Amino acid sequence: GEDVEQSLFLSVREGDSSVINCTYTDSSSTYLYWYKQEPGAGLQLLTYIFSNMDMKQDQRLTVLLNKKDKHLSLRIADTQTGDSAIYFCAERYSGAGSYQLTFGKGTKLSVIP
Amino acid sequence: EAGVAQSPRYKIIEKRQSVAFWCNPISGHATLYWYQQILGQGPKLLIQFQNNGVVDDSQLPKDRFSAERLKGVDSTLKIQPAKLEDSAVYLCASRFRAAGENNEQFFGPGTRLTVL
Repeated sequence: GEDVEQSLFLSVREGDSSVINCTYTDSSSTYLYWYKQEPGAGLQLLTYIFSNMDMKQDQRLTVLLNKKDKHLSLRIADTQTGDSAIYFCAERYSGAGSYQLTFGKGTKLSVIP
Repeated sequence: EAGVAQSPRYKIIEKRQSVAFWCNPISGHATLYWYQQILGQGPKLLIQFQNNGVVDDSQLPKDRFSAERLKGVDSTLKIQPAKLEDSAVYLCASRFRAAGENNEQFFGPGTRLTVL
C-alpha cells in the first residue's frame, strides 16, 4: 500500500533556511502536497506540486521533487518563529476512484529566536 | 467564506460510552472526509462522502464507528462503544469536487477525543 515517510523533528535558527524531507512509495501519485498544522488547529495547505514538475517556488517556499527517488522536499527561506508547526507531506492516490490523500507522520519544526 | 465547522472541540468520555461528532462543510462542497489523527501521526482517512453517498469507507471500523450525511451537507461521526485506542483528533475536511481536478481539501479544527 501507499506509505509516506518523514523525519520527525527539525530545529533551525530564525532567519536560516529550513528543509523538510519526505519519501513516498506510490509512483503513480499525480500530486504531492505540503500541509502545515499549528497547535489545536486543522491542516492548512501550504503548497503542492504536480508529478511532472521538478520544482515549484511560491514566495518563501520551494518544493523539489525527485520522481526517480520518490523524494520530496520543502524549503522555507528566512524561517520565522511563526513557521513553528508540524509539516505534513501527503501524496494523492486514486483510491476507490476518488481523490484521497495519504499523509506522513509529520515533521515538527521548531524555530529558535 | 466560512470554513469547515466542527463540534464539539473537545470531548472526554469513559470507555464503552458513545460519542458523536458533527461537521458542517464549506457551502457548496460536495465531498466530505472524516480523518482520525492519533497523537504523533498523520491523519488517516476513515470515510469519504460524495453528496449523501459513501464513496469509500474501507478504513472505517464498522463494528463501532458509523457516519452519515443524510442531506448531503452536515455529517455526523459516531463511535459506539468507545475504546481507549479511539483517543485521537477527528478531523473533517471538505472539497468542491470529487475527482478530475486538484481542488484543495479544506480542514476543520478537529474534535479532540479522550477515552478514559
